[in-house]
Amino acid sequence: QKEVEQNSGPLSVPEGAIASLNCTYSDRGSQSFFWYRQYSGKSPELIMSIYSNGDKEDGRFTAQLNKASQYVSLLIRDSQPSDSATYLCAVKDTNAGKSTFGDGTTLTVKP
Amino acid sequence: DTEVTQTPKHLVMGMTNKKSLKCEQHMGHRAMYWYKQKAKKPPELMFVYSYEKLSINESVPSRFSPECPNSSLLNLHLHALQPEDSALYLCASSQEGQGAGGYTFGSGTRLTVV
Repeated sequence: QKEVEQNSGPLSVPEGAIASLNCTYSDRGSQSFFWYRQYSGKSPELIMSIYSNGDKEDGRFTAQLNKASQYVSLLIRDSQPSDSATYLCAVKDTNAGKSTFGDGTTLTVKP
Repeated sequence: DTEVTQTPKHLVMGMTNKKSLKCEQHMGHRAMYWYKQKAKKPPELMFVYSYEKLSINESVPSRFSPECPNSSLLNLHLHALQPEDSALYLCASSQEGQGAGGYTFGSGTRLTVV
């Protein structure tokens, strides 16, 4: 079992729809959770951080964390073609001093 | 300054060459990282520096040699690389400690070994 698993893609949604990206992790000691967006040929960019159970909203993005279920998700509301990218879930164990990345989910938003 | 700057952006080197990748940040981050990323794969951790000391080496071959001259700079020295080492090399930095934020990545160096 991979340490961090993301829902297999690619994911395609129409413009204006809600895109839902999911991630599960195996290490219960994980303390910090991140979503990165990576456009083709570019480096990853941090878009959301979440540390406690519940929802965290930032503009059109909402991150959800459920530590009991070892589950973190990212919702993108009113999806735009510019949201088309690969989204990487990352889980950090502060004691280990590093983040573990999922394989990524490629999102395409069709006009 | 909220950027991580990597140079060069592109590098082509022969298998007998020696070259270095450079990374610089001025955000006061005390953790710095080297990642390797192949096409359509997630970033793969190579090295972690914490407070200028090497804290993690993910069993990287010795042809890759990291160096952290000070808290703002990180180098990756390359020698006798193989064609399979061709990849995007990413530098990142972050704060340390509980609740520390995520990574700020540089734009990467696209390395081709011929």
